[in-house]
Amino acid sequence: EPEVTQTPSHQVTQMGQEVILRCVPISNHLYFYWYRQILGQKVEFLVSFYNNEISEKSEIFDDQFSVERPDGSNFTLKIRSTKLEDSAMYFCASKRDSNTGELFFGEGSRLTVL
Amino acid sequence: AQSVAQPEDQVNVAEGNPLTVKCTYSVSGNPYLFWYVQYPNRGLQFLLKYITGDNLVKGSYGFEAEFNKSQTSFHLKKPSALVSDSALYFCAVRDSNFGNEKLTFGTGTRLTIIP
Repeated sequence: EPEVTQTPSHQVTQMGQEVILRCVPISNHLYFYWYRQILGQKVEFLVSFYNNEISEKSEIFDDQFSVERPDGSNFTLKIRSTKLEDSAMYFCASKRDSNTGELFFGEGSRLTVL
Repeated sequence: AQSVAQPEDQVNVAEGNPLTVKCTYSVSGNPYLFWYVQYPNRGLQFLLKYITGDNLVKGSYGFEAEFNKSQTSFHLKKPSALVSDSALYFCAVRDSNFGNEKLTFGTGTRLTIIP
């Protein structure tokens, strides 16, 4: 069964460093997302991406965050200058249908900012 | 604005008994409703969804959920619980308004099935 894959599974970084989290969505999916889950808290929407542009973003997704689909298969989340509060599990998701389809999530990338 | 409430942080059920995990929602338009399950150190796995039509929807692993518009609820149910059902369950909602891509999750309910 096709799945969303994410790398790395765990990254530890120093505050102020740049981090790139990578995702390979399911191949025939057209809509891509990043969510995050701070330990013990709920899953929060960050950004949605369709047709090579951001379609919606949350207030969390400030100027320190960016997304890119550089080569038609990877979908990346970049955090320019990490803060302690960016420590979380970051989930990539994709879906095929624009309106009623369910999201398929990756296993997550755990980011620890020291 | 859209929101989801899962009033129970923890639900314990004896194996073989029926289980219910509660969810209520708030949207301005029509809701699209979803249940996801998360096993330890894993991603979110889709269980079932309500878009339109029959209020009772059936999903993976014998789970079902009932959409109740008057009570704005979408409770997850299973007639006979298995120990392997122990996990974290998330309800999620999206307003059906065109262009709204944001899926809002509840805080999760930890389901423990006691052998």
